[in-house]
Amino acid sequence: GQSLEQPSEVTAVEGAIVQINCTYQTSGFYGLSWYQQHDGGAPTFLSYNALDGLEETGRFSSFLSRSDSYGYLLLQELQMKDSASYFCASTDSWGKLQFGAGTQVVVTP
Amino acid sequence: DGGITQSPKYLFRKEGQNVTLSCEQNLNHDAMYWYRQDPGQGLRLIYYSQIVNDFQKGDIAEGYSVSREKKESFPLTVTSAQKNPTAFYLCASSMRRQSENTEAFFGQGTRLTVV
Repeated sequence: GQSLEQPSEVTAVEGAIVQINCTYQTSGFYGLSWYQQHDGGAPTFLSYNALDGLEETGRFSSFLSRSDSYGYLLLQELQMKDSASYFCASTDSWGKLQFGAGTQVVVTP
Repeated sequence: DGGITQSPKYLFRKEGQNVTLSCEQNLNHDAMYWYRQDPGQGLRLIYYSQIVNDFQKGDIAEGYSVSREKKESFPLTVTSAQKNPTAFYLCASSMRRQSENTEAFFGQGTRLTVV
């Protein structure tokens, strides 16, 4: 089957750096994306990697290694508003968009 | 304003009844998706559609049905065969081609409660 694994929770202080890892097993893998979801809200897109390497978008960066079936999301200069759930999601050749179980990031003062 | 709209926001259903959740988008997206989210859980794929008049089962399709008669619309019916339907349902849409950024846009969700 297809699956994505990510840690359930990460806690860090304001200003710190957090890395959320994601390993995947996806037939016909095409790309890996990341989404943020605040409590009670809808997920919002953060980044997408189709090729190996690092993509940087402001304080957030995402990395992909296709050979290792692995990616990560890096959150820098953490702010209180970054407290949320973060999901990795894989896209396959047939357009199926499948999500991991999510990582709850807790930012403390 | 372009976007994706789900209705209603809250829905109550009696056991044994079918109920249909609406999802409409005006983003001209080909692909549409339905997910179920239980408290503290991730998003589980119910159905997805890449093109009008075609759709595929996701990981938890049992007890659900969909249609895709128009590009803009992808309604989800929760049937009486779904044993535990109380959940938060999210609809999403994206551009179809995998070679492009496949950013998915989500509606605000429908909270379904069986009473």
